[in-house]
Amino acid sequence: NAGVTQTPKFQVLKTGQSMTLQCAQDMNHEYMSWYRQDPGMGLRLIHYSVGAGITDQGEVPNGYNVSRSTTEDFPLRLLSAAPSQTSVYFCASSYWGEQFFGPGTRLTVL
Amino acid sequence: GNSVTQMEGPVTLSEEAFLTINCTYTATGYPSLFWYVQYPGEGLQLLLKATKADDKGSNKGFEATYRKETTSFHLEKGSVQVSDSAVYFCALRQDGNTGKLIFGQGTTLQVKP
Repeated sequence: NAGVTQTPKFQVLKTGQSMTLQCAQDMNHEYMSWYRQDPGMGLRLIHYSVGAGITDQGEVPNGYNVSRSTTEDFPLRLLSAAPSQTSVYFCASSYWGEQFFGPGTRLTVL
Repeated sequence: GNSVTQMEGPVTLSEEAFLTINCTYTATGYPSLFWYVQYPGEGLQLLLKATKADDKGSNKGFEATYRKETTSFHLEKGSVQVSDSAVYFCALRQDGNTGKLIFGQGTTLQVKP
């Protein structure tokens, strides 16, 4: 099993550009989530999904969209990037509450 | 609302020293509690967990006991190694098996030889 994979590993965007952070898992987990990690603030939940076709907002959803068309994939979309979205993004999938994290995507918005 | 508070870092220790990282929480009901570790350049890994009061989680020489009376879940290790240098996150889960976690701000541990 590859576990949770994320692409790209690094990305630099200009303000106003859009992009999609990819996340995939091969463990057949129903629950998937996106977090952002900022210095001194721990990880904060952006969006989560409890199964294909079902998504909901977390603590900091503004500026981000998600969809869940399959169990395996849970992409995170930035429609118009802002410098405040500079962060490290982690995707996670869950089995009976234990979360498995991907390696992260480091995003810089100039 | 639910929250997790960790002691501020960074924590700098010499090899073989005793480690304590404090973690307290605010939650209704009976949350599950976790410690995650993040090594440089990597994602988070589950270190240990406890699902009910008085449970002790342990792994790789680390321990933490779920204390409901003091709403605490302090992380301890008797003798740290340089390889333990990492960021440690305390977290709680309120919602059954959905996996939705609330994290503390993280504590950086640096162990010097």
